[in-house]
Amino acid sequence: GQNIDQPTEMTATEGAIVQINCTYQTSGFNGLFWYQQHAGEAPTFLSYNVLDGLEEKGRFSSFLSRSKGYSYLLLKELQMKDSASYLCAVTDSNYQLIWGAGTKLIIKP
Amino acid sequence: GAVVSQHPSWVICKSGTSVKIECRSLDFQATTMFWYRQFPKQSLMLMATSNEGSKATYEQGVEKDKFLINHASLTLSTLTVTSAHPEDSSFYICSARWRGTEAFFGQGTRLTVV
Repeated sequence: GQNIDQPTEMTATEGAIVQINCTYQTSGFNGLFWYQQHAGEAPTFLSYNVLDGLEEKGRFSSFLSRSKGYSYLLLKELQMKDSASYLCAVTDSNYQLIWGAGTKLIIKP
Repeated sequence: GAVVSQHPSWVICKSGTSVKIECRSLDFQATTMFWYRQFPKQSLMLMATSNEGSKATYEQGVEKDKFLINHASLTLSTLTVTSAHPEDSSFYICSARWRGTEAFFGQGTRLTVV
């Protein structure tokens, strides 16, 4: 079966760095996405990785290792507004999106 | 990024009535649209996937006759919740994508059935 695993919840301190991991087992691979979702709102796109390596976008970076079926989202200089759920999603060989359950990130002052 | 407009943002309806939710891709053609349901503090649950011009593919456990999906054009998909009941109250979200690109989400519709 197809499966995406990510931690249920993480806590970090304002100004610090946090890494949210995602591992996947899917039928083929055509890219991995990270989305941010604030409570009561729809998800918003953060990043897309299809090749191995690190993609940096401001305070957010996303890493992919296809051989390990592994990705992480790195958030630097955490702000209170970063408190949200972070969803990992993988596109399989049929271009179907497989979603992780999301990681709830709690930022403390 | 691309814009997906979902309407209405919220709706309250009486039990037994039907509600239609629209999802439009405003600046791109969506070959595939997805409909999700999300209960409080839970993750997205895919209800169905629809490709333009063909019947929607429903996920296991989702009633086709209750949740009618129409994807009549490359920019519009609709979800109709028929004979709504209080247990159908939820946050419904659509997303649209062109081929293998990232999915863009609508704002979501909060449905309350009383």
